Amino acid sequence: NAGVMQNPRHLVRRRGQEARLRCSPMKGHSHVYWYRQLPEEGLKFMVYLQKENIIDESGMPKERFSAEFPKEGPSILRIQQVVRGDSAAYFCASSPPSRAYEQYFGPGTRLTVT
Amino acid sequence: DAKTTQPTSMDCAEGRAANLPCNHSTISGNEYVYWYRQIHSQGPQYIIHGLKNNETNEMASLIITEDRKSSTLILPHATLRDTAVYYCIVRVANGNKLVFGAGTILRVKS
Repeated sequence: NAGVMQNPRHLVRRRGQEARLRCSPMKGHSHVYWYRQLPEEGLKFMVYLQKENIIDESGMPKERFSAEFPKEGPSILRIQQVVRGDSAAYFCASSPPSRAYEQYFGPGTRLTVT
Repeated sequence: DAKTTQPTSMDCAEGRAANLPCNHSTISGNEYVYWYRQIHSQGPQYIIHGLKNNETNEMASLIITEDRKSSTLILPHATLRDTAVYYCIVRVANGNKLVFGAGTILRVKS
């Protein structure tokens, strides 16, 4: 059973460009979470999704950030018009429906904005 | 979710037990204690969780005091690969997000 997969692992964008981060949950997991870790800081929750639904987006910045988890395909975290402050590691986690406490994390995508 | 307090860092000799404390004096009756760790540059890894009874799995043991105001994660035979940041998190069982604090940096030394 493959773990949570994220791609790309490293992404470089110029200021003003768009960044798309992908997350494929573990097989059988229908819950996806996105977290952000700024340099030298702790992990911060961003958004929690189930298939085709955003359940909790209390940690998402109000502008430029969006997330989706379509019926088919990976979950996407989209950052429009990136700024230097968006440079961070973005981690995706998934959990099975019956054990939401047991979140399995992917290796992360390291976004660098130049 | 209840707030937790952990030491900033700890050292442990390789092969010895690593005992990582966590204070959660405001924990509610329906909140569980979870432990995760993050090895450098990797995604966090679930270790163990418990409500009030002591728990053990293949990775670690979790000891929760009777009043549930504190707990200790025990790695029975620490190895160099256990060097990581360890996070103690308290939340309800059906909660979704994990709220990570600063955690404890555990350095296992040979």
